[in-house]
Amino acid sequence: DAGVIQSPRHEVTEMGQEVTLRCKPISGHNSLFWYRQTMMRGLELLIYFNNNVPIDDSGMPEDRFSAKMPNASFSTLKIQPSEPRDSAVYFCASSLGYPGAEQYFGPGTRLTVT
Amino acid sequence: SQKIEQNSEALNIQEGKTATLTCNYTNYSPAYLQWYRQDPGRGPVFLLLIRENEKEKRKERLKVTFDTTLKQSLFHITASQPADSATYLCALGTNNNAGNMLTFGGGTRLMVKP
Repeated sequence: DAGVIQSPRHEVTEMGQEVTLRCKPISGHNSLFWYRQTMMRGLELLIYFNNNVPIDDSGMPEDRFSAKMPNASFSTLKIQPSEPRDSAVYFCASSLGYPGAEQYFGPGTRLTVT
Repeated sequence: SQKIEQNSEALNIQEGKTATLTCNYTNYSPAYLQWYRQDPGRGPVFLLLIRENEKEKRKERLKVTFDTTLKQSLFHITASQPADSATYLCALGTNNNAGNMLTFGGGTRLMVKP
């Protein structure tokens, strides 16, 4: 298996533009997580899907952020409009859905908003 | 409020020594705790899982302890090597029907010098 796939790996955009990050989880995994990592705040959970259904989105910063999982093999995280404070590395992770299951992280998308 | 604390300062040790990293938590009742390793520019990688009813877990040169009274986990790397240099993250999970959702600490950077 290729592992969790994220695209793009790097994204540079101007403030106010829409940004879409993409994730393909490991086949057979029924849980998917979006995280954001910064030096100041560390690794923060944004949203968690189980069987394609959003279970917990309490970490989504504000209405500018939205996430979808239309099927078991694809998820998107969208920021519209983007702001400089959204600059961070965004990770997608997938796992089997039982408590204690290890999470497999993708390589991340480094987002820079100027 | 819930808090997970890891030493934010880098830990520098000499090759061959044992590295000990600490994870403390407050206002939390985790059912299990996981440790991950993160190398620069990459996503975290799962290392070990320890559940609340387990005191200690070992895997090769790694050992994890979990003290629910002290609200602390210790992560040990014996006979450390320069290749062990990385950031190590602890993560807590519960059994509250939230699947395997995790809350991560801020991580501790380990530097092993030859």
